[in-house]
Amino acid sequence: RKEVEQDPGPFNVPEGATVAFNCTYSNSASQSFFWYRQDCRKEPKLLMSVYSSGNEDGRFTAQLNRASQYISLLIRDSKLSDSATYLCVVNTRTDSWGKFQFGAGTQVVVTP
Amino acid sequence: SAVISQKPSRDICQRGTSLTIQCQVDSQVTMMFWYRQQPGQSLTLIATANQGSEATYESGFVIDKFPISRPNLTFSTLTVSNMSPEDSSIYLCSGDRGRGEQFFGPGTRLTVL
Repeated sequence: RKEVEQDPGPFNVPEGATVAFNCTYSNSASQSFFWYRQDCRKEPKLLMSVYSSGNEDGRFTAQLNRASQYISLLIRDSKLSDSATYLCVVNTRTDSWGKFQFGAGTQVVVTP
Repeated sequence: SAVISQKPSRDICQRGTSLTIQCQVDSQVTMMFWYRQQPGQSLTLIATANQGSEATYESGFVIDKFPISRPNLTFSTLTVSNMSPEDSSIYLCSGDRGRGEQFFGPGTRLTVL
């Protein structure tokens, strides 16, 4: 089983709609969680960190469910520019700086 | 916010040769990392570049194949040694802003013939 798993999609979303997807992780001792966005042929860019209490940044809401070992990302009022691959990142070790495990990504395609 | 540059941005190399990729950050960072991203796949951590000491390699990656230097807090190099076509990939370096939030260089697209 992979340490970090994501539904690869694609999630085809009409502009203005809401889309949500999850990421599961296997190591219950994982301490920190992030969502990154990667556009085609570009480097990943941090979208948001995921806090235990959940957090929101504009149209984006991230949640952490430790009991079920998953994090989620919800995008409201989708824009065409939200089309990208969303990478879930989990710090799976607790020694020193840990190890950042990247999921394979969830592709989101927002259509007019 | 900090910016990372990488050189070269891309290269086509013959098998058996070596390529050194440079990564420069415009401000000091505690942690720098090297990743590989193969076509259609996600990122795999190669190693953590430690300033002034040997890099910490992940399972499946060894120093002889991927020697790393980090002479100071703003610069690191990754060498891909004795290349084979299986090494064709995008190589990315990243810095850590703290709190585990990383920012990435634009990547080096390597093709080995």
